Amino acid sequence: DAKTTQPTSMDCAEGRAANLPCNHSTISGNEYVYWYRQIHSQGPQYIIHGLKNNETNEMASLIITEDRKSSTLILPHATLRDTAVYYCIVRLPYNNNDMRFGAGTRLTVKP
Amino acid sequence: KAGVTQTPRYLIKTRGQQVTLSCSPISGHRSVSWYQQTPGQGLQFLFEYFSETQRNKGNFPGRFSGRQFSNSRSEMNVSTLELGDSALYLCASSFSLLSGLQETQYFGPGTRLLVL
Repeated sequence: DAKTTQPTSMDCAEGRAANLPCNHSTISGNEYVYWYRQIHSQGPQYIIHGLKNNETNEMASLIITEDRKSSTLILPHATLRDTAVYYCIVRLPYNNNDMRFGAGTRLTVKP
Repeated sequence: KAGVTQTPRYLIKTRGQQVTLSCSPISGHRSVSWYQQTPGQGLQFLFEYFSETQRNKGNFPGRFSGRQFSNSRSEMNVSTLELGDSALYLCASSFSLLSGLQETQYFGPGTRLLVL
């Protein structure tokens, strides 16, 4: 699975959009981009995933660049409860279920 | 639909003891994976079970073992506990096919194990 690069930390004002970037320049054609988040000492929570089209669900939007070498997770109206570590992962949808989490981005939403 | 559940949530053991952790996957999910998470090493894959068979295995010693039952519930066991086994143990389930196709993994809340 390809490696990802994320900023170590980011701050966001409550009620504003949080835009979390991820670089995955070595992604292969059939690897998906997944986003999870982990609130302190809890299990990782699935947020969203995509292959090449932009995706949106009730939690967030995922914007993938046309060359698929980077993506951005958007939380449209961040709340204090969105404070967490956000992980961007690229993986194949078959065979090996080994989820490789990097260090992630620690997002702090401030009042 | 209920999420992944893990029991117990917290556990304190002493060196040399053994421990068994339990995981109930989301209904309909046949794949269960186990992970160890520590501040220093991050999230590390232990093993994956599918239809009562171990399908993938990470790089952990034989003291770490697991099994899956016919209802897809899974247990993992750690024998001869060491101080370094203190960690958050996470279980994740996913819908999967025999061919290996995996869908999104959903994680449980974890079991926090402290070895004294």
